[in-house]
Amino acid sequence: DADVTQTPRNRITKTGKRIMLECSQTKGHDRMYWYRQDPGLGLRLIYYSFDVKDINKGEISDGYSVSRQAQAKFSLSLESAIPNQTALYFCATSDLALGARSGGTDTQYFGPGTRLTVL
Amino acid sequence: AQKITQTQPGMFVQEKEAVTLDCTYDTSDPSYGLFWYKQPSSGEMIFLIYQGSYDQQNATEGRYSLNFQKARKSANLVISASQLGDSAMYFCAMRVEVMGGGADGLTFGKGTHLIIQP
Repeated sequence: DADVTQTPRNRITKTGKRIMLECSQTKGHDRMYWYRQDPGLGLRLIYYSFDVKDINKGEISDGYSVSRQAQAKFSLSLESAIPNQTALYFCATSDLALGARSGGTDTQYFGPGTRLTVL
Repeated sequence: AQKITQTQPGMFVQEKEAVTLDCTYDTSDPSYGLFWYKQPSSGEMIFLIYQGSYDQQNATEGRYSLNFQKARKSANLVISASQLGDSAMYFCAMRVEVMGGGADGLTFGKGTHLIIQP
């Protein structure tokens, strides 16, 4: 079974509808992230969470909200979807930030992605 | 703010040749990590290799190596003996470590589309 799962994998919706994308992980990581990818661009950070009580906005949080229901679950909501939110959405997880300063690595592991189309 | 630049939108390479994918970065922070991810046509993001800013040696993972030149702020990915299955988008990314241990996610470049020809 995959360590990071996303549901749904594909979704087509209409402008103005509320949409929730869900992410679950079995890696036991504390940190979770939501990114979006537009054609021809790299991924951009929407929101991230260090633990259940810690939620932070990323580069492009406008129009999105998140919920960290448990260590293993992190949901992304579009309260009123609009066409320019059509994109590929990725969830990612990482362990504690034992990065360069600590001599470690804090690799982010990605889910398979959710392809969202807003008509 | 940090920035990642990948100047090669696309590359064609003959099978079995070595490939170098360019990546330059910009940050004023001394502590950071550099990552390369592969995205095949199926869409998933696959982690390839990591280099920390304090690492003295270039990272290697199988056929992948990272040519880290800190003074030039470059972190090029080298794939030795390319294979048809290496055809994919490749993304360079950076994570800057915020003082106090916080993390603000990865900053990605726009990617390089690598096509391996038989």
